[in-house]
Amino acid sequence: DADVTQTPRNRITKTGKRIMLECSQTKGHDRMYWYRQDPGLGLRLIYYSFDVKDINKGEISDGYSVSRQAQAKFSLSLESAIPNQTALYFCATSDRPFGSYNEQFFGPGTRLTVL
Amino acid sequence: KQEVTQIPAALSVPEGENLVLNCSFTDSAIYNLQWFRQDPGKGLTSLLLIQSSQREQTSGRLNASLDKSSGRSTLYIAASQPGDSATYLCAIDSGNTGKLIFGQGTTLQVKP
Repeated sequence: DADVTQTPRNRITKTGKRIMLECSQTKGHDRMYWYRQDPGLGLRLIYYSFDVKDINKGEISDGYSVSRQAQAKFSLSLESAIPNQTALYFCATSDRPFGSYNEQFFGPGTRLTVL
Repeated sequence: KQEVTQIPAALSVPEGENLVLNCSFTDSAIYNLQWFRQDPGKGLTSLLLIQSSQREQTSGRLNASLDKSSGRSTLYIAASQPGDSATYLCAIDSGNTGKLIFGQGTTLQVKP
């Protein structure tokens, strides 16, 4: 089984709908991240969390919210989806830096299309 | 603000060739640099991580180097194979925050 899983893998929705993307990990890592990937813009960080009680905004957090339900689960929500949020979304995890130097491991991605 | 650039954007080589992918960055104060591979429609696979204090890392046919003073990293792939065809991304963690800054990637095609 994959260490970092994302659900759903593909989603098509309409403008204005609320969408939740879920990420689960079995690596036992404390740190979790959400990125989006757009053609020509690369990957950009949306939110990150260093533990259950720690949530931080990334480079492009507007229009998104997150919830860290447990060490292993980190969800990304689009409260009211808009077409320019159409992208490939990735969840990633990393262990505490000591000994691992923050090496990040990525999930398979969720392809989201907002019509 | 850290900026990461990868040139060229695309590269096509015949099978068996040794090749070098380039990554440059604007701020030498980095915590680590990570190279990833991305297959079409798939997630990112971590290939190599170079700590700030290191000059290179090796894994099989892959060798990554880091020169902070010049703001450059290279990924060397020896004896390329068609299965190496993918997009290669470099990313930098500037301050032990886990906030990776990615380059745009180099898409490699290895022809049989």
